[in-house]
Amino acid sequence: EVQLLESGGGLIQPGGSLRLSCAASGFTFSGYAMSWVRQAPGKGLEWVSVIYSGGGTTYYADSVKGRFTISRDNSQNTLYLQMNSLRAEDTAVFYCAKVDNSDWFRGFRHWGQGTLVTVSS
Amino acid sequence: QSALTQPASVSGSPGQSITISCSGTSSDVGAYNYVSWYQQRPGKAPKLIIYDVSNRPSGVSDRFSGSKSGNTASLTISGLQAEDEADYYCSSYTTSTTLVFGGGTKVTVL
Repeated sequence: EVQLLESGGGLIQPGGSLRLSCAASGFTFSGYAMSWVRQAPGKGLEWVSVIYSGGGTTYYADSVKGRFTISRDNSQNTLYLQMNSLRAEDTAVFYCAKVDNSDWFRGFRHWGQGTLVTVSS
Repeated sequence: QSALTQPASVSGSPGQSITISCSGTSSDVGAYNYVSWYQQRPGKAPKLIIYDVSNRPSGVSDRFSGSKSGNTASLTISGLQAEDEADYYCSSYTTSTTLVFGGGTKVTVL
């Protein structure tokens, strides 16, 4: 059974940094691209970033480009999201997500439970 | 990367069919057959119900169906049931190698 477990969320001041983790199990982690998707309180879903299976290719939403960095450790089956220069509008539940097929954009079948990031002074 | 356009709310009576639209552009919905739909209940993670415009993952009820015409995709829920009350989101791959979601539609079963 695929399991994704996010951690690292919390309360952080504007301008601060935070690193989220997503521990994966139940599948061959190194064989799949992984994404982060966020949801601000009471708002819709927003795709944040993707990293390909080998870690060498990444893409970002314009809203986080230059501030967030996605990475992975295939030896530890863990996905990361380093978030710098955080703003109030980054407040959201952050989910890691995975598809079941070879193309990362063809529907996220598996989601973690999410971790809440609150950016506030 | 503007969000796809969905109606804020749609409602129907039990047993009826409802359709949720998802309007994009020639750079996303119209460019590829990579539209997905998600159901999200309060406090829960989203659940994939349609991928590649019209395919259902295993275990998803066949009351859910998807289609696309031009820059607009649609999700139809037939035989509406109380358990279908939730928020629904579409998403599409884009020509910028990114993913864009719709703003979400709240489905109410009357």
